Amino acid sequence: GAVVSQHPSWVICKSGTSVKIECRSLDFQATTMFWYRQFPKQSLMLMATSNEGSKATYEQGVEKDKFLINHASLTLSTLTVTSAHPEDSSFYICSAISGGLTEQYFGPGTRLTVT
Amino acid sequence: AQSVTQPDIHITVSEGASLELRCNYSYGATPYLFWYVQSPGQGLQLLLKYFSGDTLVQGIKGFEAEFKRSQSSFNLRKPSVHWSDAAEYFCAVGAGTNAGKSTFGDGTTLTVKP
Repeated sequence: GAVVSQHPSWVICKSGTSVKIECRSLDFQATTMFWYRQFPKQSLMLMATSNEGSKATYEQGVEKDKFLINHASLTLSTLTVTSAHPEDSSFYICSAISGGLTEQYFGPGTRLTVT
Repeated sequence: AQSVTQPDIHITVSEGASLELRCNYSYGATPYLFWYVQSPGQGLQLLLKYFSGDTLVQGIKGFEAEFKRSQSSFNLRKPSVHWSDAAEYFCAVGAGTNAGKSTFGDGTTLTVKP
């Protein structure tokens, strides 16, 4: 089946620094990737939609300058949390679909803790 | 706008007992419905999906769900729960066969008693 990986699986960073999270589709080409944020015991909130070779589309209320998304290839999308603050601590999950698929495949998530 | 309601925040069942997790959706057109399972600290795994056709959908791990348009529901069922089924379950509604941009419910936590 389709596999999506994320790296790192967890990261701790200091307030004010930036951290990059990678999302890779391992065995298929992902025309579209999605980035979600999940707070403890809560549902997934879509942050942005990332299409290969074009700018990401952000959901309302998501700061595009704070959460930089790059989808440079059909197998890789990155989310960079810039100038991170403790309130950015969360579980970030990516998913990927390709043109021929009718379901999205989720990565295992990245736990970000900002101290 | 589409929305999903999972009325039960937490459900506890005994191992071997049957399970039903409720999901109600709101969507103006034909909904595309999904059930996902999430184990602690993990991403989501698709259990099953409904796009059209037979309203009773079979999924992985022995789960099934029934789409009832008249009730705007898509409840998940399993006849006999195993301890390994303990997890968080999310119902989602999509705006098309492109499963992206789905709206997720708040989830139901399933605890399985021995």
